[in-house]
Amino acid sequence: KAGVTQTPRYLIKTRGQQVTLSCSPISGHRSVSWYQQTPGQGLQFLFEYFSETQRNKGNFPGRFSGRQFSNSRSEMNVSTLELGDSALYLCASSSDNLKGEKLFFGSGTQLSVL
Amino acid sequence: TQLLEQSPQFLSIQEGENLTVYCNSSSVFSSLQWYRQEPGEGPVLLVTVVTGGEVKKLKRLTFQFGDARKDSSLHITAAQPGDTGLYLCAVSGGSGGSNYKLTFGKGTLLTVNP
Repeated sequence: KAGVTQTPRYLIKTRGQQVTLSCSPISGHRSVSWYQQTPGQGLQFLFEYFSETQRNKGNFPGRFSGRQFSNSRSEMNVSTLELGDSALYLCASSSDNLKGEKLFFGSGTQLSVL
Repeated sequence: TQLLEQSPQFLSIQEGENLTVYCNSSSVFSSLQWYRQEPGEGPVLLVTVVTGGEVKKLKRLTFQFGDARKDSSLHITAAQPGDTGLYLCAVSGGSGGSNYKLTFGKGTLLTVNP
C-alpha cells in the first residue's frame, strides 16, 4: 500500500508570509504527527493529531498550527514566517501512537525562508 | 542539554569495515528506537529495544540496550555503501511503549565509501 505522502516536496517563501503543508497518511492510519528537522536542533516534535483532534503538542510558538480532516489527511500551517523556520518538515502516521504502533515517515517538505 | 547524546557525530569508513555508534543519556527509558534516514527521505524504523541488556540483530546490524536502560549501541559488521545514512536514536515522551512525542538524538551521519 502507498506510504505517507507529503506535498509539496520543496517550498520557497519569504519572511512574513504563511505556508501550508499537506500530509496524506497510510490508508487506515488515524494518527498523524509532525516533526521539524534542522541541522542545529535535529528532529523536534511539533504536534500529533488523532481522529481530527490535536492530542499532543510540542514546544513551538503559536505560529505553528495544524489540523486533521475526517479522512485523516493533515495540514500544518506556519504564519508570519521567520528565517529560522527553514527546515525539513516531516509527517509520520501510525494506526495509534499511544499504543506504540510503528511510525511511518513521509519524505518531508523542505521549506526555505528567504 | 540534549536528552539523548549520539556519538560520533560523523563517521566515514571504507566498505567492509566494522563500526559502532552510541546513544547515551542520564535518564532511564522504558524503550528506545533506532531509525535510519537516507538523503532526501524520512527516517525509517530499524528496531525497538525494551529490555535492559537486550540484544537484537537485523542482518549485519546489532543493537544493544544498556543494562540500566540509559544507553544503547548500534554495531554494523562489514559495512556497505547502502548503509550510508543518518542513524538516529529516539525515545518516547509517553509510557508503556507509546510513540507519543518522540525525542530524537541529533544522529550519527555515516558514510561508507566503496
